[in-house]
Amino acid sequence: SQTIHQWPATLVQPVGSPLSLECTVEGTSNPNLYWYRQAAGRGLQLLFYSVGIGQISSEVPQNLSASRPQDRQFILSSKKLLLSDSGFYLCAWSAYGPYGYTFGSGTRLTVV
Amino acid sequence: GIQVEQSPPDLILQEGANSTLRCNFSDSVNNLQWFHQNPWGQLINLFYIPSGTKQNGRLSATTVATERYSLLYISSSQTTDSGVYFCAGLKGGSEKLVFGKGTKLTVNP
Repeated sequence: SQTIHQWPATLVQPVGSPLSLECTVEGTSNPNLYWYRQAAGRGLQLLFYSVGIGQISSEVPQNLSASRPQDRQFILSSKKLLLSDSGFYLCAWSAYGPYGYTFGSGTRLTVV
Repeated sequence: GIQVEQSPPDLILQEGANSTLRCNFSDSVNNLQWFHQNPWGQLINLFYIPSGTKQNGRLSATTVATERYSLLYISSSQTTDSGVYFCAGLKGGSEKLVFGKGTKLTVNP
């Protein structure tokens, strides 16, 4: 069966520090991968998505970047965190085509 | 892009009550899903339902694609049903799932 792993679960980082969040998927090949952010107020905002290795689409201009170095690995990064980067970050995967999405357990990032 | 509206934004129930949550789309979608986010933040996929009706225990969902809406029914609610319910969809040819703002459900004992 397919599983998605996301870590760390919580993170407190100072302003200006770098960030690296990792997401891996098991049990499937060539998944579509996504990074979402959920700020206070509930809405989920799509940040990045990838349909293949090295293929990254950015949805919102921001202080973040994403990379997909391997088929089932998706990384969210920042060189210098801002206070506004605080939030709940969720990774998700889906198979190609009209299938449901499966989300990881999320990373709660607090920038201080 | 498509717009997703959910109603009501907040709902408070007594345990055992039934409820209906609604999701409207500004355009036709071919991948409609309902999620439950528990108090710890975990998003659980409840239904993948581009059209028709599905049931899973006390939960059921109906999507009327031609009228661009979907309904989630919760019967005999339990305190564990509390959390935020999201619907989401994407247009044909798109890989971007768009979420509504959610309905926050509180079930009191």
